Amino acid sequence: GAGVSQSPRYKVAKRGQDVALRCDPISGHVSLFWYQQALGQGPEFLTYFQNEAQLDKSGLPSDRFFAERPEGSVSTLKIQRTQQEDSAVYLCASSSLRDRRASGANVLTFGAGSRLTVL
Amino acid sequence: TQLLEQSPQFLSIQEGENLTVYCNSSSVFSSLQWYRQEPGEGPVLLVTVVTGGEVKKLKRLTFQFGDARKDSSLHITAAQPGDTGLYLCAGSTYSGAGSYQLTFGKGTKLSVIP
Repeated sequence: GAGVSQSPRYKVAKRGQDVALRCDPISGHVSLFWYQQALGQGPEFLTYFQNEAQLDKSGLPSDRFFAERPEGSVSTLKIQRTQQEDSAVYLCASSSLRDRRASGANVLTFGAGSRLTVL
Repeated sequence: TQLLEQSPQFLSIQEGENLTVYCNSSSVFSSLQWYRQEPGEGPVLLVTVVTGGEVKKLKRLTFQFGDARKDSSLHITAAQPGDTGLYLCAGSTYSGAGSYQLTFGKGTKLSVIP
């Protein structure tokens, strides 16, 4: 597609439930990032994939958070046993290596995000 | 941990006024980016600055990267209501994991009143 697509746009979960958030990156984009954005804050890095390889997961806040990208395209962020502090917007972004080489930095295209509310 | 401090946090101005938003850090970045985010949407990249002292202009927006590559500013001339949004700066550093990791500031929420 033309942009990064995320689903669901809104998710309400009861504390303790598991949730799965999906990201469809721009076709052909090798790099995929997940960020968490709490209300009134800037996005915070969670994890990074290059193709199907998860190269950096240093930002995942706990072992309840798990991300995968098995075929190097669509990615899923899973949160197990959700807690109220997990309430946030989860943003996915993708970028191409060609754009990085041209600009000297990652050129990220973000999706609209999935807003998770844990009651 | 690299921290990016943005100021001011909130800014409300009249249409036609000028404004400057600042982004400061004690860390050196390989590049710095500015994004604009509207409610219910993801951030949209406005500009990337790479070289210390670099100045880039995008219509009424002027972006500057500090000589030491630790700070940046965004200046808007003759602000318009369409400029309303959350402005985020993000510093890029090599994470050592095959990726340049972006660290975002908390943002400046700009409201331009008609």
